[in-house]
Amino acid sequence: SQQGEEDPQALSIQEGENATMNCSYKTSINNLQWYRQNSGRGLVHLILIRSNEREKHSGRLRVTLDTSKKSSSLLITASRAADTASYFCATATNTNAGKSTFGDGTTLTVKP
Amino acid sequence: SQTIHQWPATLVQPVGSPLSLECTVEGTSNPNLYWYRQAAGRGLQLLFYSVGIGQISSEVPQNLSASRPQDRQFILSSKKLLLSDSGFYLCAWSAIRQGGEAFFGQGTRLTVV
Repeated sequence: SQQGEEDPQALSIQEGENATMNCSYKTSINNLQWYRQNSGRGLVHLILIRSNEREKHSGRLRVTLDTSKKSSSLLITASRAADTASYFCATATNTNAGKSTFGDGTTLTVKP
Repeated sequence: SQTIHQWPATLVQPVGSPLSLECTVEGTSNPNLYWYRQAAGRGLQLLFYSVGIGQISSEVPQNLSASRPQDRQFILSSKKLLLSDSGFYLCAWSAIRQGGEAFFGQGTRLTVV
């Protein structure tokens, strides 16, 4: 079963707007990662947030983690057409020996 | 710097034919290695992972197998492909035993006809 589940499944916005994607998970985690995938390509790691962190920034990306709600959000500010991609969260736990479990992703379309 | 190579990018194979996909990593030693499969519009399903040479763990029962003959080489194989083996296969590596950022190859689009 999926550990991470993203919401919404699809998101369409205009260039310049902010995009927020959410991820929920079921068990305690060591860390949570966000990845980006352009169509037909491999995944690119964006940001990792550890279970003892609440917020992390990287450029136009802001990730929050709420372990009490078992949820995370990815905010992309001032979106660009080039941000169009699928975004996945993945979780790593103490018991899974380095394996991360991926959700089904959010497909983001940024219209120019 | 570390790089990961996965090939081929696309592959069309008839049902019942064998399969061999190869993945190699450069610039790091003793990586965790992973094979994932991604169905259209879905997330990644972990098929196999390896923490060392000859050490393979299978996550789901299937028609595929994996091998790690060298530290930085990971191979996905099948003796006889099924239609249901079609999909997008991704190889990845990570340096952290406890789980963390993974680095992915560009993927192989396999179509079994």
